[in-house]
Formats: sequence, C-alpha cells, structure tokens
Amino acid sequence: EDQVTQSPEALRLQEGESSSLNCSYTVSGLRGLFWYRQDPGKGPEFLFTLYSAGEEKEKERLKATLTKKESFLHITAPKPEDSATYLCAVQAMNTGFQKLVFGTGTRLLVSP
Amino acid sequence: DTEVTQTPKHLVMGMTNKKSLKCEQHMGHRAMYWYKQKAKKPPELMFVYSYEKLSINESVPSRFSPECPNSSLLNLHLHALQPEDSALYLCASSPLYLDQAADTQYFGPGTRLTVL
Repeated sequence: EDQVTQSPEALRLQEGESSSLNCSYTVSGLRGLFWYRQDPGKGPEFLFTLYSAGEEKEKERLKATLTKKESFLHITAPKPEDSATYLCAVQAMNTGFQKLVFGTGTRLLVSP
Repeated sequence: DTEVTQTPKHLVMGMTNKKSLKCEQHMGHRAMYWYKQKAKKPPELMFVYSYEKLSINESVPSRFSPECPNSSLLNLHLHALQPEDSALYLCASSPLYLDQAADTQYFGPGTRLTVL
C-alpha cells in the first residue's frame, strides 16, 4: 500500500533559524512528489513537483530535494510569514494519474 | 495564471436544504476534482472529472452530486446533508498532460461548509 509519512508533526522556529521538514514515502513506483503550503482555512498552494531521485527545486527561502525514499523541504532563514502547514503528496504508478496520497502535514510556526 | 476560483467562500445550511458549490478554472486544464478536508487532516478525494466525464467516485454518499457542465466549470450539488458533512470543500484542477510523468493539481481557496 502506498504511504506517506511527514515529520515532525509540528515545528517551532525562531525567525532566521533554518531547518528541514521530512517526507518519507513508500510507493510501488513514483510518478511524482508534490509539496504544498496551506494556510488555516484556505486551499493548499502548490510549491514544487519532483519527479526523480536527485532532483532539487528552489523558490525564495524554500528548497525541495528528493531521494528514492524521502523528500526534504529545507527552509533557509524563515520569516513569520512562512508559518503554515506544509503538505507532501505522492502520485504512484499503480493508482493512476490523478490520485494523490497525502501525508498528514507539518505545522510550522516561525516566531519573530 | 494558476488560479482556481470557488464560490461561495462560506455556506451555512440546514439538513433539509439544497445548495450548490461552484468551481471555475481558465487554465485549459482537462481534469477537475472535489476534495473534502476536515480540520488538521489532509484533503480526501471525492470525485474526479477527466475531459468532462466522471472518472473517479470515491464511494461518496449520494447526497453529494457532482456536475461538470463544461471543461472550465465544476459544481457540487448538496442535498440532505448531515452535520458531520461540515468541512472545507476544495476544488482542484490539473492539465492532464499524458506525456508528463506526473500531473500537478492546483487547488482553489475552498468553501467552508457548516451543516446545522
């Protein structure tokens, strides 16, 4: 069964304190891994799609990396506005093009 | 532009009411989705339309009825809902480029539904 596990469940950082969020996955074959940011009461905002091991993508203070078993979302010098829940999801070969398996998310709080 | 719009933003309804949620995208995407999200949980897939045809129904109760009038619009008709159906309802769309390895979904802002 395809599975996604995110850690930690919650993370509190001081402004400027860099850290990483983890997304471990077990799938029969990976089509793609997705990172989303979600603010309370709002829809998930797309951040990155990663397709294969070794791939990296960056956007402002965020950098996503992918290995054969996990993905990391690195946050460099975070600001309070980076506070949100970060969701990881995978699309697997055996569940088709349109089903996403989500992790339960990491709630990030950045204090000034 | 990667925008999916949803109306209304908030909806309060009684268990005997009939209401509809609306979703629109103008990105030329050929797949559209309905998700339900409870507090502190990830989104749960309800329905998928591919090329305006219902392709996935995740065993959703018949009190939820989806409709795709055209490639840009998606509706969710609600009837005789229960209080436990209160949740954030999310619409998403994806390009459905079959020559790509994966299909990225873009979400709308959601409709906060409360059933009294």
